Amino acid sequence: AQSVTQLGSHVSVSEGALVLLRCNYSSSVPPYLFWYVQYPNQGLQLLLKYTSAATLVKGINGFEAEFKKSETSFHLTKPSAHMSDAAEYFCAVTLKAAGNKLTFGGGTRVLVKP
Amino acid sequence: KAGVTQTPRYLIKTRGQQVTLSCSPISGHRSVSWYQQTPGQGLQFLFEYFSETQRNKGNFPGRFSGRQFSNSRSEMNVSTLELGDSALYLCASSRGAPDEKLFFGSGTQLSVL
Repeated sequence: AQSVTQLGSHVSVSEGALVLLRCNYSSSVPPYLFWYVQYPNQGLQLLLKYTSAATLVKGINGFEAEFKKSETSFHLTKPSAHMSDAAEYFCAVTLKAAGNKLTFGGGTRVLVKP
Repeated sequence: KAGVTQTPRYLIKTRGQQVTLSCSPISGHRSVSWYQQTPGQGLQFLFEYFSETQRNKGNFPGRFSGRQFSNSRSEMNVSTLELGDSALYLCASSRGAPDEKLFFGSGTQLSVL
């Protein structure tokens, strides 16, 4: 069975600083990986996804993530944090045979300081 | 294009009661999946329906059930409610392939007293 681990349940960054959110996965077969963001009182919104094409994936709002098979990682980065990036971020994994059954990490809440 | 609509937005029930939550997917989407979100357990997959058939199921007791209608709208039912069922229930829709993005609704916040 697949699993996802997000290191750090809370991250605090200054406005303009680098955002780095860590995600490690476990899967016996090539996975599909996703990053979703959740703003207060809202559902989840897709930031980006890896589906076995380019290993460096660019998403919305300036975010990107790199799939590293050797490290079983899919870390999310943004060069310069904005106040609007304050939200909770979830890494998720699924398999080709699993349909839309996503396994989510525990989430990382990002606080952006002015 | 309308998004995923979940009703009701908030619900308060007492232990032992049952509840039905509704989800209207984006037009053209045939897959509807349900997730439970709690502070302690995070986001957990409940089940997925595709073209009226349950395609995947999570590790929840039989008190949790669902169905999907021919217009792709889905309902989720929880019987004999327990305090631990208090959660945000999220519905997501897609065309159905595993590499596609899911479109999430804003959820139904269920409180069990």
